[in-house]
Amino acid sequence: SQKIEQNSEALNIQEGKTATLTCNYTNYSPAYLQWYRQDPGRGPVFLLLIRENEKEKRKERLKVTFDTTLKQSLFHITASQPADSATYLCALPMNTGFQKLVFGTGTRLLVSP
Amino acid sequence: EAGVTQSPTHLIKTRGQQATLRCSPISGHTSVYWYQQALGLGLQFLLWYDEGEERNRGNFPPRFSGRQFPNYSSELNVNALELEDSALYLCASSWGTFDSYNSPLHFGNGTRLTVT
Repeated sequence: SQKIEQNSEALNIQEGKTATLTCNYTNYSPAYLQWYRQDPGRGPVFLLLIRENEKEKRKERLKVTFDTTLKQSLFHITASQPADSATYLCALPMNTGFQKLVFGTGTRLLVSP
Repeated sequence: EAGVTQSPTHLIKTRGQQATLRCSPISGHTSVYWYQQALGLGLQFLLWYDEGEERNRGNFPPRFSGRQFPNYSSELNVNALELEDSALYLCASSWGTFDSYNSPLHFGNGTRLTVT
């Protein structure tokens, strides 16, 4: 079955720096990959979706890359702010053609002023 | 537009009892998903409903069940509660399977179930 790996250790960075989070997966290559943000005690919030034929996707200060050869996605937050502190989850479909998403365990980002 | 709503926000039950959790999807969404998030763990897929039918099920015992109503709202039932069922139960909705299969999930803020 599909396995997703995200760095379980928290990432601590200073305000203004670029945060880079990694999502690695095994087995088959998904048709797309999604990134979510989750704050404590709240449900995840969708951020970005990138398809297998897209190398890079941007939205404001966010950038996602998708390397199907390395089976890896990178999630960047530029000019990070303390308000960006949260857990970031990557998710991809379990099977081609189905909407069932499998989530990684997430990486906690802490941005200090 | 109103987001996904879940009720109750907190639920405390004793071992062996039954719990019922409810979810109202975003208007227009026909797919509803249930996930379990135990403390410190990732989201574990429980159930997926679309157009009133169960489409897929995760690796959970049969005492986890649910249904989707004609108005697309959904209910998750957990029978014979065990201590390890304590978790945040998240409901999400999206457009139906054949409308946009890669559409994002919209989550509610969950029901915190505590089993004592």
